[in-house]
Amino acid sequence: NAGVTQTPKFQVLKTGQSMTLQCAQDMNHEYMSWYRQDPGMGLRLIHYSVGAGITDQGEVPNGYNVSRSTTEDFPLRLLSAAPSQTSVYFCASSGQGYGYTFGSGTRLTVV
Amino acid sequence: GESVGLHLPTLSVQEGDNSIINCAYSNSASDYFIWYKQESGKGPQFIIDIRSNMDKRQGQRVTVLLNKTVKHLSLQIAATQPGDSAVYFCAERSGSNYKLTFGKGTLLTVNP
Repeated sequence: NAGVTQTPKFQVLKTGQSMTLQCAQDMNHEYMSWYRQDPGMGLRLIHYSVGAGITDQGEVPNGYNVSRSTTEDFPLRLLSAAPSQTSVYFCASSGQGYGYTFGSGTRLTVV
Repeated sequence: GESVGLHLPTLSVQEGDNSIINCAYSNSASDYFIWYKQESGKGPQFIIDIRSNMDKRQGQRVTVLLNKTVKHLSLQIAATQPGDSAVYFCAERSGSNYKLTFGKGTLLTVNP
């Protein structure tokens, strides 16, 4: 099993560009979530999903969109990138709300 | 809002010593807690978890203690090794919505 796979690992965007961060898990977990981590900070929840077709906002959802069309995939879309979105993004999944597994992260720089 | 915080932002120990990392949480409804280890440039790695109906749980070289009376969580690492050097986060889950709330982390440095 690959666990939680995030792509790309690194990305540089110009202000105003859009992009999608990919997240896939092969553990048949119903719960998936996106976090961002800024220097010296803990992880802050952006969006989460408790199953295919169901998404909800976390603590810092502005500027990000998500969808969950399959159990395996949970992409995060930046519609118009801003320098404030420079961060490391982590995707996590969980089965029945226990033992959350994290991906290795996407390091995003917006210039 | 609810939050999880850590008493000590940094901890430096000698190799072979035991380490204790503390965490305070404020949401009395939290029913599940996890400790994560994060090495530089990597994602959080699950260490150990505990449910609110337990006071103590042991793993390999690690023990988590939960004191619900004072809303305190601790991670004990026995015989700390240089490979244990990392940032450690506690996280809490409240209710059935599966959302995890993280603290800011403690940097553990193990001196050889």
